[in-house]
Amino acid sequence: EPEVTQTPSHQVTQMGQEVILRCVPISNHLYFYWYRQILGQKVEFLVSFYNNEISEKSEIFDDQFSVERPDGSNFTLKIRSTKLEDSAMYFCASSPSGGPNQPQHFGDGTRLSIL
Amino acid sequence: GENVEQHPSTLSVQEGDSAVIKCTYSDSASNYFPWYKQELGKRPQLIIDIRSNVGEKKDQRIAVTLNKTAKHFSLHITETQPEDSAVYFCAAYPTAGAQKLVFGQGTRLTINP
Repeated sequence: EPEVTQTPSHQVTQMGQEVILRCVPISNHLYFYWYRQILGQKVEFLVSFYNNEISEKSEIFDDQFSVERPDGSNFTLKIRSTKLEDSAMYFCASSPSGGPNQPQHFGDGTRLSIL
Repeated sequence: GENVEQHPSTLSVQEGDSAVIKCTYSDSASNYFPWYKQELGKRPQLIIDIRSNVGEKKDQRIAVTLNKTAKHFSLHITETQPEDSAVYFCAAYPTAGAQKLVFGQGTRLTINP
């Protein structure tokens, strides 16, 4: 069964540094998402992406965050100047389309630790 | 916007017994409700979902029920096994062009042998 893959599995970064999290969505999916999960809390939506542009973003997704699909397979989340509170598990997800009945499939996540 | 409340936050049942987890949602336009199972350090894994045009869906030991009038939906696991131990999240997919899942707080289910 095809899966969403994410790299790295764990990223340790100094506060103020830039970090890029990478995702390869399922190949025939059209919608891509980033979510984050602070330890012990629920999964929170960050951003959705379709047709090479952001389709929706949450209040968490401020100017420090950006997303990009640099080629036909990768989908990246960049945090420009990391803060301690950015420490969390970041999940990428994809769905066949963005319609209201389409299941989203999650990757294994990247654990981001800001020191 | 959509708000999803999930109860209980922790649930402990004896192996072989049933477990029920309940969620309520606020947006009456929501029409898709998935359930995810998350084992420690792993991805949320879709285990079952229900769309608003049906009231119940079953898949082996797992079932989900939906009451649109009351705006709540529940996950039922029968004949529980130790491998069912995990955190379970409900979610709602709002309509009106929303492109996101709104998750509940999660329920930590422990199956006692």
